[in-house]
Amino acid sequence: GENVEQHPSTLSVQEGDSAVIKCTYSDSASNYFPWYKQELGKGPQLIIDIRSNVGEKKDQRIAVTLNKTAKHFSLHITETQPEDSAVYFCAARDSGGYQKVTFGTGTKLQVIP
Amino acid sequence: DTEVTQTPKHLVMGMTNKKSLKCEQHMGHRAMYWYKQKAKKPPELMFVYSYEKLSINESVPSRFSPECPNSSLLNLHLHALQPEDSALYLCASSQDRQGGRELFFGEGSRLTVL
Repeated sequence: GENVEQHPSTLSVQEGDSAVIKCTYSDSASNYFPWYKQELGKGPQLIIDIRSNVGEKKDQRIAVTLNKTAKHFSLHITETQPEDSAVYFCAARDSGGYQKVTFGTGTKLQVIP
Repeated sequence: DTEVTQTPKHLVMGMTNKKSLKCEQHMGHRAMYWYKQKAKKPPELMFVYSYEKLSINESVPSRFSPECPNSSLLNLHLHALQPEDSALYLCASSQDRQGGRELFFGEGSRLTVL
């Protein structure tokens, strides 16, 4: 089955700086890579996603890059704000019959004002 | 605000109790999911319903029993749980099971088993 590794587990940045979270996946059949933000006491919320036929996607201060050859993808947050503080999960979804989403282990991001 | 509504938000139950968690969505989604999330861990898939039929059971113990009465509702019946079953139980839905369909999560039901 799919295995998704995520680094770092915790990340502290000063407000206004950039934050980068990296993930690797094992199953070359995976073709959809969402990123979720989970605030305390809430369920995960999709913030951006990328499909395997695209190398990069950007939405305002958030961008995701995908390297299919190396099987890794990254989340980039620029001009971080205190409200970006949360736990971020990467995930990979395979293209097989089960269409199962496998989550990474999570990164706790703290943005220091 | 999430469009997936879960009740109750908090539940405390003894090991001999029978209780149910409920989930509702009105987005017309045809796939619904139950996830279990322990503290500081990612969500773990438990069950998937596709077009109201159980399509994935991730080897979940029988003390957890899912039910999908209709396309908008998903229940998780709990019986004879163990303290280690204490966790946040998340319901999610997606348009269908096709790849690339966004998962919409509810805010979860926090379960404590005494």
